[in-house]
Amino acid sequence: QSALTQPASVSGSPGQSITISCTGTSSDVGGYNYVSWYKQHPGKAPKLMIYDVSNRPSGVSNRFSGSKSGNTASLTISGLQAEDEADYYCSSYTTSSTLVVFGGGTKLTVL
Amino acid sequence: QVQLVESGGGVVQPGRSLRLSCAASGFTFSRYAMYWVRQAPGKGLEWVAIISYDGSKKYYADSVKGRFTISRDNSKNTLFLQMNSLRAEDTAVYYCARDTSSGPLPDWSFDLWGRGTLVTVSS
Repeated sequence: QSALTQPASVSGSPGQSITISCTGTSSDVGGYNYVSWYKQHPGKAPKLMIYDVSNRPSGVSNRFSGSKSGNTASLTISGLQAEDEADYYCSSYTTSSTLVVFGGGTKLTVL
Repeated sequence: QVQLVESGGGVVQPGRSLRLSCAASGFTFSRYAMYWVRQAPGKGLEWVAIISYDGSKKYYADSVKGRFTISRDNSKNTLFLQMNSLRAEDTAVYYCARDTSSGPLPDWSFDLWGRGTLVTVSS
C-alpha cells in the first residue's frame, strides 16, 4: 500500500478538464510544500510536470496546474489532449524515515 | 546534451551483489543532489536513496537500508548504487534522477531522469 493515496483511474474527453487527487498526512503533503507530479508513458522514464505544489518546469504546458488544500494535493489538466493519456504519480517529502513517498499512480484515459 | 545514462543492470541470484552506475552529462553534476528511484514490473515508483551534492549526506528507504549504498564521483560525473544481499523483491527498473534544485538544500523532486536499467533477482 502506497503512502500517498491516488485514484486508480480517471478519464475525460478531449477538451475537458480533469483533476487527480493525492492524499497524505500532516507529515508529508499537509506539512510541506514539497509535492511534485510526474507523467509516465508505459516503458518510459517519468517526466516532472509540477514541483513545489504548483510550479511548472520550463517546457511543461500551462494546461497543467497543481494545488494543495490541507493534506490533499491536486493536479489539474485542462483542455485534455490525446497525448495526456498516461500514468500520473504524486510525490512528497515526508518526516518519516522514508523521506520521500509516492502515490500509487493514476491511469488517465482520454476518451 | 543534458542526460543521465544508467548501466550495470542484469540478472543476479538472490543474496548476490550488483553495482549500478549513472553517467551524467551536459550539466554541472557536482551541484546537484542525486537519487535512485525504482519501479517493480507493473508497479508504481519507489524512492530508494539520495546523496547530497558533495556526497557528505546519504539517506535510504527502509526497504534497502543496510543492504544498498549510494555514492558519487564528482570528478567523473558518475553516480553509483551498490546493491548487496539482493532479494526477489528488489527486481525492478532502477532510475537515477537529479534533484530539481542545485545547491545544499534538495527540493525532493526529480527534474531529470535516465532511461533506467533493469535488475532481475532470480535463481
